[in-house]
Amino acid sequence: LAKTTQPISMDSYEGQEVNITCSHNNIATNDYITWYQQFPSQGPRFIIQGYKTKVTNEVASLFIPADRKSSTLSLPRVSLSDTAVYYCLVGGNRLAFGKGNQVVVIP
Amino acid sequence: GAVVSQHPSWVICKSGTSVKIECRSLDFQATTMFWYRQFPKQSLMLMATSNEGSKATYEQGVEKDKFLINHASLTLSTLTVTSAHPEDSSFYICSARRFPLAGDGETQYFGPGTRLLVL
Repeated sequence: LAKTTQPISMDSYEGQEVNITCSHNNIATNDYITWYQQFPSQGPRFIIQGYKTKVTNEVASLFIPADRKSSTLSLPRVSLSDTAVYYCLVGGNRLAFGKGNQVVVIP
Repeated sequence: GAVVSQHPSWVICKSGTSVKIECRSLDFQATTMFWYRQFPKQSLMLMATSNEGSKATYEQGVEKDKFLINHASLTLSTLTVTSAHPEDSSFYICSARRFPLAGDGETQYFGPGTRLLVL
């Protein structure tokens, strides 16, 4: 199972941009990088997925450097409802969830 | 699109009884479904991988005779916790991986989870 490493937690003020990093040194050539958001007592919610360079959708951007050994999820102008645990995963089969990053948005 | 449902959303049962949890992909066909377990303040742990019409593959340490998985169709998988005990109390989450679309990295879409409490 491909492992990922993320900071345990981070705080941010409402309205700020939040950047969450993830290391995945052992990513395989055909692995995609996927980010999920999880609220307490809910299943993870898909946020964004990418293979290389930059991907943007209506809620986030994902930056992936050329070596693909890390990635950064960018949440623009966070609100209180973005307080959640964020997980980055690599691959699409047997996913190994790390501890995730607890993001707390402060008013 | 890509909605996954679980039923029930929560269940309380007595020790020794069996509990069945259903996982359905509502608007897509799933090549594979997965079952996870999550204890309080912890991350998700993969329990097993399930393909339609074949036996599930269990992760190390997961008892296949205790956690029975049936994958009846491309949209339905069930997890039965047999002879449940208090230590089986947890949050059970399924996911479904759809047939890959162009540019899709075999994304897994997760259900809302089932809270199991064994008394």
